[in-house]
Amino acid sequence: SYDLTQPPSVSVSPGQTASITCSGDKLGDKYASWYQQKPGQSPVLVIYQDDKRPSGIPERFSGSNSGNTATLTISGTQAMDEADYYCQAWDSSTVVFGGGTKLTVL
Amino acid sequence: QVQLQESGPGLVKPSETLSLTCTVSDYSISSGYYWGWIRQPPGKGLEWIGSIYHSGSTYYNPSLKSRVTISVDTSKNQFSLNLSSVTAADTAVYYCAREFRDCSGTRCRNWFGPWGQGTLVTVSS
Repeated sequence: SYDLTQPPSVSVSPGQTASITCSGDKLGDKYASWYQQKPGQSPVLVIYQDDKRPSGIPERFSGSNSGNTATLTISGTQAMDEADYYCQAWDSSTVVFGGGTKLTVL
Repeated sequence: QVQLQESGPGLVKPSETLSLTCTVSDYSISSGYYWGWIRQPPGKGLEWIGSIYHSGSTYYNPSLKSRVTISVDTSKNQFSLNLSSVTAADTAVYYCAREFRDCSGTRCRNWFGPWGQGTLVTVSS
């Protein structure tokens, strides 16, 4: 089975840039999506097709995918960005989610 | 703005079948897209269960495939999940979501959105 690996936690100071990675074998040959989930809420799509932002998602959210790593970057991180983030990809007719990263803004 | 709402029992006994329905509003399932089920055990990450196309084609998580059935009722604009022989490990918040999927050969781009609010299902006697 295909695995996506994320760091369990990432910390960032307000106004700084946060980078959350997602690693998988030849992930750059696939498409990555990213979801934000705040406590007690449903996940929300923040990046799709590696680097596309859905309508309504702030421009400070961006994505990239190359080699074995996809990266979600949040520029000028705000307190409201504190949440769990999950990457997701498609492999062999299966949807795969990463284990999730807790982003702390402190 | 398409909306999804899960419904079903919040408590299921071990060895029985978990059954949930997702009702879609402001969008006709027959118009396209895939429709998926994803679950999240308390304090843990997301796990894809399976997806169905409006025509009835299904894709399941291999680890759950033997116990999962997803069906669609276009007349009611609903799709459903049945998970058989449940155990305490199946206790989770269950989400339904719309899935965009587009494949070129074996390479597919896909993502989920929007999601329903989720429903907690507890497996316990």
